[in-house]
Amino acid sequence: AQKITQTQPGMFVQEKEAVTLDCTYDTSDQSYGLFWYKQPSSGEMIFLIYQGSYDEQNATEGRYSLNFQKARKSANLVISASQLGDSAMYFCAMREPYSGAGSYQLTFGKGTKLSVIP
Amino acid sequence: EPEVTQTPSHQVTQMGQEVILRCVPISNHLYFYWYRQILGQKVEFLVSFYNNEISEKSEIFDDQFSVERPDGSNFTLKIRSTKLEDSAMYFCASSEANLADTGELFFGEGSRLTVL
Repeated sequence: AQKITQTQPGMFVQEKEAVTLDCTYDTSDQSYGLFWYKQPSSGEMIFLIYQGSYDEQNATEGRYSLNFQKARKSANLVISASQLGDSAMYFCAMREPYSGAGSYQLTFGKGTKLSVIP
Repeated sequence: EPEVTQTPSHQVTQMGQEVILRCVPISNHLYFYWYRQILGQKVEFLVSFYNNEISEKSEIFDDQFSVERPDGSNFTLKIRSTKLEDSAMYFCASSEANLADTGELFFGEGSRLTVL
């Protein structure tokens, strides 16, 4: 079963508009973390934002905010005032126990390709 | 801003050859990782390394793979005898603390491996 689901394989947004990228997750653990990474066409993985499961406030980093709805198990990324440079793949990832031995790793979703239109 | 650096950025090799991918994690980080991404697919965990030993590895990380921290700065991934299906982008990552305690995991720019 999918641990991280990103239902939008591709999204378009007009420059300067806001866009929401969806992410739902599945875990039975009480302690987990949610990450968003940006991957431009050059291939690197750029950390954008993090939300811990116990954080009561939604995380924000500049133009990025994470709409965390714990009961719905969703962690959508909101990008405000889109820029042409925002065009990239966006991956949602969850930190969770890997093998029950105290180790944690990231499980990634399949990604959403965002295209910003001038 | 401190960053994780990886070399080479792209390597082409023949099937059966050994490959070493190199990484310099962020200097005060203690936990190191390798992930890989086959073209067009999601990023997958390979191995984590702490205190000079492997702390966790996935089923992908079989006997053909090994990791090493040969000195105080480098962290390497070796593939002993490459197969076609090893073609992927390999990402090194590091974190200052255990991922259970921190939300900060930083990736390098990746090393693209092409096996012919």
